[in-house]
Parts: sequence; C-alpha cells; structure tokens
Amino acid sequence: SQQGEEDPQALSIQEGENATMNCSYKTSINNLQWYRQNSGRGLVHLILIRSNEREKHSGRLRVTLDTSKKSSSLLITASRAADTASYFCATDDSGAGSYQLTFGKGTKLSVIP
Amino acid sequence: ETGVTQSPTHLIKTRGQQVTLRCSSQSGHNTVSWYQQALGQGPQFIFQYYREEENGRGNFPPRFSGLQFPNYSSELNVNALELDDSALYLCASSPLVAGGRFSYNEQFFGPGTRLTVL
Repeated sequence: SQQGEEDPQALSIQEGENATMNCSYKTSINNLQWYRQNSGRGLVHLILIRSNEREKHSGRLRVTLDTSKKSSSLLITASRAADTASYFCATDDSGAGSYQLTFGKGTKLSVIP
Repeated sequence: ETGVTQSPTHLIKTRGQQVTLRCSSQSGHNTVSWYQQALGQGPQFIFQYYREEENGRGNFPPRFSGLQFPNYSSELNVNALELDDSALYLCASSPLVAGGRFSYNEQFFGPGTRLTVL
C-alpha cells in the first residue's frame, strides 16, 4: 500500500520558475526522503529530513516537514530542463521492524525550456 | 566506488514461467532491498536481505523469493509469473551500522530490470 501521496500528480512549468511538490503521509515516521526518477529508470536520492527537523536545504532544493500535519513539501528553485523527472517522497515508518521505504505515487514534473 | 548494478536490463517472459533477477550492491553496503514499480506507480517494497537472511517483507506472495550471497549481491526469484508481475524491479543497497540499527536511511538504487510478462 502507498503511504505517501504526492500532490500534484503532474506539474508543468517554464524554465527558471520554481516548482513545489507536496507529500502527505499517514503514520508516524523516522524520516522522510525525496527521490527523483528519470524516464522509468533507477531512483536518485535527493534529500532526507528527519522527524525532528522542520526544514532542510541542498543546493536548489528546499524541503519542509510538518509532522503535526503529516506533510512535506519539496521546492526546486530556478528550475532547469534537466529537472524534468518524476519525484517521489518516501517514508521510513517508525513502527516497521525492518528498514523499508514506503513511496507515494509521485509527481511528474515537466520543465519547458 | 561501484554503484548498484542490476541484470538483465530488460526481460520478456510468458505467464507461468519463472524468472531470476540479479543485483550487485554498492561497495561496502551489506543490506539489499527489492522493490516493484508498476507503470505510473511508486515503488513497493518486496523484501530486504541482511546477512543472507530475509529481514522484512512487504505484501507480496511467497512465489516472490530471494537470496543474498556472502558478497552481499542478491537475487530476486519470481515463480509462476502472472501478467500483473510486469513492472520495473528495483534493487537498492544501504549500509547497516553496528548494533543492528540504521543511523540514516538513504538507499542507493540500481537502474532496474524491466520485466514484461505476456
């Protein structure tokens, strides 16, 4: 079953604009991660934010986490055509006995040159 | 440092057949997880292997089985293939710190194997 739900499902923007994607989840988590996937290939880890953190930056990426609302957002600033990909949030559930990630369905981002 | 590799890249099978997918973990990583990603969906956790034993399993039937070898590489076996098994199969490796707890949970994914069941 899917834990996270990304919103929107698809997003199309012009190069240079900012892109914001949201993720909601259902259960308590240890941390939340964002991954990127190009054209149905392997996933690339972007950023991890722990449950006791509220905001994290990495280059053009900014992630926020609101555990009270069980939601996170990923902001990509000054987007580039190369940012075109699907973006997934993934949670590491606090209660899981083993280490496993639960992914949402993803947001498909298209950056138009 | 070698990343996660998977073989084959693509595979076509017919219903009822069996398939074996292979994964070599990233250097220094002792834990391997397998995920199934259907078209238009996010990856779903199949199972994880640590020290050659299954260390957690998702909601997949027993016909999905795996192995981990002493060099930490892994295989995913699927018996009695069904049409719904058509998907991208992703392998991910990660380090497990001493004491059996993960200090952080980034996973490193391979490029995947695209399985088509006809």
